[in-house]
Amino acid sequence: DQQVKQNSPSLSVQEGRISILNCDYTNSMFDYFLWYKKYPAEGPTFLISISSIKDKNEDGRFTVFLNKSAKHLSLHIVPSQPGDSAVYFCAASEGGSQGNLIFGKGTKLSVKP
Amino acid sequence: DSGVTQTPKHLITATGQRVTLRCSPRSGDLSVYWYQQSLDQGLQFLIQYYNGEERAKGNILERFSAQQFPDLHSELNLSSLELGDSALYFCASSVEGAAWNTIYFGEGSWLTVV
Repeated sequence: DQQVKQNSPSLSVQEGRISILNCDYTNSMFDYFLWYKKYPAEGPTFLISISSIKDKNEDGRFTVFLNKSAKHLSLHIVPSQPGDSAVYFCAASEGGSQGNLIFGKGTKLSVKP
Repeated sequence: DSGVTQTPKHLITATGQRVTLRCSPRSGDLSVYWYQQSLDQGLQFLIQYYNGEERAKGNILERFSAQQFPDLHSELNLSSLELGDSALYFCASSVEGAAWNTIYFGEGSWLTVV
């Protein structure tokens, strides 16, 4: 059973508009959430994270929102740029765990000029 | 370039065979992690080593094993290979006590079992 779910395998957005990538989780013990970005032929790279004590974290064009009651988080990219086209992975971990990040299957974002 | 080096980048082998994937962590990083990404799956955590010792274990099959050597490089050994083992295998590294946002992934090793 998947503990971290990204239900949209792909998303297409026009350049300059907002991209919203969604992620749901089932394990209420998760207390730290991350987004990774992956380009073809490269490994995933860290993008942004949020602790369960917060409901929002912002870094430039990227904002992550956490809704604990709904066990849902989302990544907003504003404005979207063609260089943002990549696969985005949502990941979660429990406090004190090391090495055991649980990843979603990823969402492929395409930003069209 | 993350600084994590994985070899080989691509590997094709037959069922029943054994392969070894190699990983050199970033300079100074003591922890090495192995992840598997199958065609329609997210990244699955396999195992973590810290300074030569196993630290955490995930969904690693008994046919798979890993080790970390004194020079901190790590090897993932996959034996009695099956078609379903075809996947992208990532190595990642971090310093001890690093937050999750400082785990660095290599480019991966593509394994195709035919």
